[in-house]
Amino acid sequence: DAKTTQPNSMESNEEEPVHLPCNHSTISGTDYIHWYRQLPSQGPEYVIHGLTSNVNNRMASLAIAEDRKSSTLILHRATLRDAAVYYCILLLWFSGGYNKLIFGAGTRLAVHP
Amino acid sequence: NAGVTQTPKFQVLKTGQSMTLQCAQDMNHNSMYWYRQDPGMGLRLIYYSASEGTTDKGEVPNGYNVSRLNKREFSLRLESAAPSQTSVYFCASSAGTGEGIYEQYFGPGTRLTVT
Repeated sequence: DAKTTQPNSMESNEEEPVHLPCNHSTISGTDYIHWYRQLPSQGPEYVIHGLTSNVNNRMASLAIAEDRKSSTLILHRATLRDAAVYYCILLLWFSGGYNKLIFGAGTRLAVHP
Repeated sequence: NAGVTQTPKFQVLKTGQSMTLQCAQDMNHNSMYWYRQDPGMGLRLIYYSASEGTTDKGEVPNGYNVSRLNKREFSLRLESAAPSQTSVYFCASSAGTGEGIYEQYFGPGTRLTVT
């Protein structure tokens, strides 16, 4: 399984943009880049995913490097509720609908008022 | 919709005791998963069920058994609990009908301590 590398922790101030980096130099052509986050004492929740093009949704944006060896999750205006552990995951899907998520240690984001 | 529910929320077992963790989803999802999360680490897949009637091992299946009782319910059983199984257990589900990428929805977790 291809691996991802993320900083252990990052800090941000409320209402400022946050850029969370992820390196995945061994990514294969069929690996999708996923981001999940885990709020304190909760289960993970899906944030966004992409393959080659940049993606936007109501929660965040995902910027993918042209060579796909790295990506950046962008929170446009951090709120206190965005304090969480963010996981960058390379997801290989299998036929039959089973998606295999391999979680690393993630990046712990602290947001200061 | 309740989403993914898990019972119990907390459990303390003595070494050698057995128990079953229950998981149910009301989203009509095909695939269901059991993960464990040890302190300071990411989640690791124990077992998964790609569809009703099928189950397969994940990364760390030793010491666990699962049952996909029906489309809604997926249970995880510890036959003889060991201190190494102290962890937080998460159940998840995804729509998973055919090839494609499916968001996984997670339950709130069961915090298990084995003494």
